[in-house]
Amino acid sequence: TQLLEQSPQFLSIQEGENLTVYCNSSSVFSSLQWYRQEPGEGPVLLVTVVTGGEVKKLKRLTFQFGDARKDSSLHITAAQPGDTGLYLCAGKGSGGSNYKLTFGKGTLLTVNP
Amino acid sequence: DTAVSQTPKYLVTQMGNDKSIKCEQNLGHDTMYWYKQDSKKFLKIMFSYNNKELIINETVPNRFSPKSPDKAHLNLHINSLELGDSAVYFCASRHYLDRGGNSPLHFGNGTRLTVT
Repeated sequence: TQLLEQSPQFLSIQEGENLTVYCNSSSVFSSLQWYRQEPGEGPVLLVTVVTGGEVKKLKRLTFQFGDARKDSSLHITAAQPGDTGLYLCAGKGSGGSNYKLTFGKGTLLTVNP
Repeated sequence: DTAVSQTPKYLVTQMGNDKSIKCEQNLGHDTMYWYKQDSKKFLKIMFSYNNKELIINETVPNRFSPKSPDKAHLNLHINSLELGDSAVYFCASRHYLDRGGNSPLHFGNGTRLTVT
């Protein structure tokens, strides 16, 4: 079973601060996705990373896939209250069922005005 | 306009009852999923269907039975509900072969099931 560990589990910061969320595994993933979930809604895709070492930017969000494709990070610059939500990473295994996306347990981010 | 819709949004029922949750997607996707999100927000896959064929069946009690009458629908029937079944159930879909198999999951807004 491929497991994804996310840290920290909870994060409460002030508007304008920077933060990094981590997603780690002992398994290799062929790709990794980050989702954000807001209360009462389903998760929504932010980004997909496929290549080891890949860096993608989405406005103030920077996503990185580890060289060995076992870990990923999400960095938010100058966080805003609108960034509040549950951030989930999800990996697609390099073996076994390619239909299956395994989710981490999430990081609940609160950005206070 | 809703891409993935689930009904009902809330479901409160007593132990021992049987209930169903319905899911429909209008995105033309070929693969649909059921996920369970517990009180700690952990999202765990339960089932997946591709073109109406069951392809993922995780370790889920056989009280849970998915049914896919066509590619656009995936329903979840639960027999003999237990307290531990209380959770938010999410339906999701994607077109498996898009983007080299890395297509995103499109989620519904969930069904909050409370068993009393």
